[in-house]
Amino acid sequence: DQQVKQNSPSLSVQEGRISILNCDYTNSMFDYFLWYKKYPAEGPTFLISISSIKDKNEDGRFTVFLNKSAKHLSLHIVPSQPGDSAVYFCAASLTSGTYKYIFGTGTRLKVLA
Amino acid sequence: SQTIHQWPATLVQPVGSPLSLECTVEGTSNPNLYWYRQAAGRGLQLLFYSVGIGQISSEVPQNLSASRPQDRQFILSSKKLLLSDSGFYLCAWTRGGYEQYFGPGTRLTVT
Repeated sequence: DQQVKQNSPSLSVQEGRISILNCDYTNSMFDYFLWYKKYPAEGPTFLISISSIKDKNEDGRFTVFLNKSAKHLSLHIVPSQPGDSAVYFCAASLTSGTYKYIFGTGTRLKVLA
Repeated sequence: SQTIHQWPATLVQPVGSPLSLECTVEGTSNPNLYWYRQAAGRGLQLLFYSVGIGQISSEVPQNLSASRPQDRQFILSSKKLLLSDSGFYLCAWTRGGYEQYFGPGTRLTVT
């Protein structure tokens, strides 16, 4: 049972435009959500997170939106840059209890120059 | 600042051989520690996590095991590797269930 889903395995965007990466989850108990960026043969790098008590969090070019009723979150990158080309993972956690993190399968973003 | 180390960076092992991957964290105490595997073209699969010395939770039944002999040391082991154990192994740490930070990873190829 995949509790966190990233239904788009890949996405191509023109440089300077907006990249929107989507993530859906099934467990309404998740209360913290994270986005990671991963280059080949490296560990994932933390990008941005959001608590379930918020619906938006912004950090520079990165904004994460959370729609709890739809169990959906998205990562917006504006403007997209060629260096943003990587695999992006969303993850969900329970901040009390087991502290387990459930990751999606990732979306490969390619920003075209 | 906190740093997480993993070694070796790459490893080629024959089927049936043992495995030991080590992960250490510096600059923090009593972290929660995690082992993940990323198989080729796949997402991150949680294998084990630990909230304290000697406490190991297993997420996936398999021929791998984990141990936490010290507060900031996490070891992934196998007595006999299978071909299906090939993948990219990642160690991660966190404090309190919020941001999770990953090590550089170990590329394991079982031949």
